Amino acid sequence: QSVLTQPPSVSAAPGQKVTISCSGSSSNIGNNYVSWYQQLPGTAPKLLIYENNKRPSGIPDRFSGSKSGTSATLGITGLQTGDEADYYCGTWDSSLSAGWVFGGGTKLTVL
Amino acid sequence: QVQLVQSGAEVKKPGSSVKVSCKASGGTFSSYAISWVRQAPGQGLEWMGRIIPILGIANYAQKFQGRVTITADKSTSTAYMELSSLRSEDTAVYYCARDLITFGGVIVISTLFDYWGQGTLVTVSS
Repeated sequence: QSVLTQPPSVSAAPGQKVTISCSGSSSNIGNNYVSWYQQLPGTAPKLLIYENNKRPSGIPDRFSGSKSGTSATLGITGLQTGDEADYYCGTWDSSLSAGWVFGGGTKLTVL
Repeated sequence: QVQLVQSGAEVKKPGSSVKVSCKASGGTFSSYAISWVRQAPGQGLEWMGRIIPILGIANYAQKFQGRVTITADKSTSTAYMELSSLRSEDTAVYYCARDLITFGGVIVISTLFDYWGQGTLVTVSS
């Protein structure tokens, strides 16, 4: 059971838009930055979004992030088959057992 | 550019220990933390802990307290993760990641993982 809750899977057609939600609490998302990671099959995770809505160099603007209260959202527009991957949200948790927490991951299928 | 290169795959017996290394290049090793994240087959990412070389401090996820030791050698820009009392459930790919930290008063907060190692498969089997 992950501290952050993501839908197990989402799907959409090429060219369409999809959003992936990440729900937490005041001890994590509510008071810390959220980052998102893309993991293509058989590869290491890759930073996609940091500080809630910033993109590292080289990440296309088709990818966007937002945060409101204790939830965060990853948006992907103009879906491509190459976007099929697992997506994870993550943030610091400031509770008694402080540490980094990830969501359970969302499998994106581009139909 | 920044690279994290991990040691090779390991096969271990239950009850034994494993030590995985992560050598960093292309960046300032002491300016960041190094976190360790594992992924069991078909499962999600799980944070195990981190080392903050500039402070010489390691923090561990509660689940792994007492079983994991994370260290760093600043002279070689290498971080290590040692997991003891291995059991079959520890079979996983172990990743190191460069961890950008920020200081929130007396607390050091991890904010993102911007570079990742290639992963090291640890198989625990009798």
